[in-house]
Amino acid sequence: NAGVTQTPKFRVLKTGQSMTLLCAQDMNHEYMYWYRQDPGMGLRLIHYSVGEGTTAKGEVPDGYNVSRLKKQNFLLGLESAAPSQTSVYFCASLTPTSGGRTAQYFGPGTRLLVL
Amino acid sequence: AQKITQTQPGMFVQEKEAVTLDCTYDTSDQSYGLFWYKQPSSGEMIFLIYQGSYDEQNATEGRYSLNFQKARKSANLVISASQLGDSAMYFCAMRDNNNDMRFGAGTRLTVKP
Repeated sequence: NAGVTQTPKFRVLKTGQSMTLLCAQDMNHEYMYWYRQDPGMGLRLIHYSVGEGTTAKGEVPDGYNVSRLKKQNFLLGLESAAPSQTSVYFCASLTPTSGGRTAQYFGPGTRLLVL
Repeated sequence: AQKITQTQPGMFVQEKEAVTLDCTYDTSDQSYGLFWYKQPSSGEMIFLIYQGSYDEQNATEGRYSLNFQKARKSANLVISASQLGDSAMYFCAMRDNNNDMRFGAGTRLTVKP
């Protein structure tokens, strides 16, 4: 049981390049989230998904796209990277609240540097 | 939009003592959830405790408890019997009725030996 995994762990991009960050969870959770964390700050929600085939915008969605084609995977895409997107990206999954214990589990993070 | 406020940028506590980290929130939703997380210097995010808006009892998880005061819109984290390993950043967060999540700016806790 690996929990939440993220690929890659670290990446350097040049301005204008594109990339996809992959998040995978093996806990059968319905809800998945993508956050970014800038130095000295809390997490900000980029996009989230409440189930396979659904996505929604969070607080800072501009410049990012997401897809949830399979329940266990949540992809975050940067179509044209900008230096302002330099950050640490966290993926998380959330247990349902209908009965049982509610908890959110995070991946280890992806450190992205855009030059 | 909902807002989470953590007014204590830094806190110090003596080892083995209890400490309270403050969190207030602002929402017009009736149904919402409140979370606390720990982020050690290694960078990972660790879930600590959850409180639903309709939960009548305060949540507890081992040495962590959440002091939920709905009328005051506060959800303070209480850590009992502090340990050196509790030194970390602590974040409060809220999930709204649409499952959107917002985080506070965090509180850096330092446990003194």
